[in-house]
Amino acid sequence: AQSVAQPEDQVNVAEGNPLTVKCTYSVSGNPYLFWYVQYPNRGLQFLLKYITGDNLVKGSYGFEAEFNKSQTSFHLKKPSALVSDSALYFCAVRDKGYQKVTFGIGTKLQVIP
Amino acid sequence: EAGVAQSPRYKIIEKRQSVAFWCNPISGHATLYWYQQILGQGPKLLIQFQNNGVVDDSQLPKDRFSAERLKGVDSTLKIQPAKLEDSAVYLCASNSGGRRDNEQFFGPGTRLTVL
Repeated sequence: AQSVAQPEDQVNVAEGNPLTVKCTYSVSGNPYLFWYVQYPNRGLQFLLKYITGDNLVKGSYGFEAEFNKSQTSFHLKKPSALVSDSALYFCAVRDKGYQKVTFGIGTKLQVIP
Repeated sequence: EAGVAQSPRYKIIEKRQSVAFWCNPISGHATLYWYQQILGQGPKLLIQFQNNGVVDDSQLPKDRFSAERLKGVDSTLKIQPAKLEDSAVYLCASNSGGRRDNEQFFGPGTRLTVL
């Protein structure tokens, strides 16, 4: 079975500071990894994904994520947070041999002006 | 390109009543997903269609939930009868389905409140 853990319910960061939202995963094989963002009263929007290759993946709105196979992690990062980044962030994983995508419970990011 | 459309956006019903949700995926997307997102949790897959066939419905409570995608395009999800614990946001998503690394495109969701 595959699973995703997002250990922080909420992350608070001051505007302009770097941010990190943590994600660890468990799969039986090689993973596909995704980050999605959800703004209030809206559906999830795709941010970035790791498939293979370079461990540092760049995505939308200046976000990036680093795949670490030994630590089974895929943390989301941004060098300088904006107030508009405040939202709910979901990490998701799919085992390459498995149809279903499993989502984490989400981390609320609060960027403080 | 039009996104994934869902209706209604909000629905309030009493327990034991029936309700139906509609989803129209992005044109050309072969794979369609229905998720249930309970407050404070991540989306949980209810059912996945590839064209008009079911790929995965292992987490669909089949005694009360049903879904169909008859022509391989739009889809309906029905709950009959509803229970209090069905209160959630129901998300529809789609992708082209050709590759397992494809990201999903989500609709705005239907917020269901069961009283």
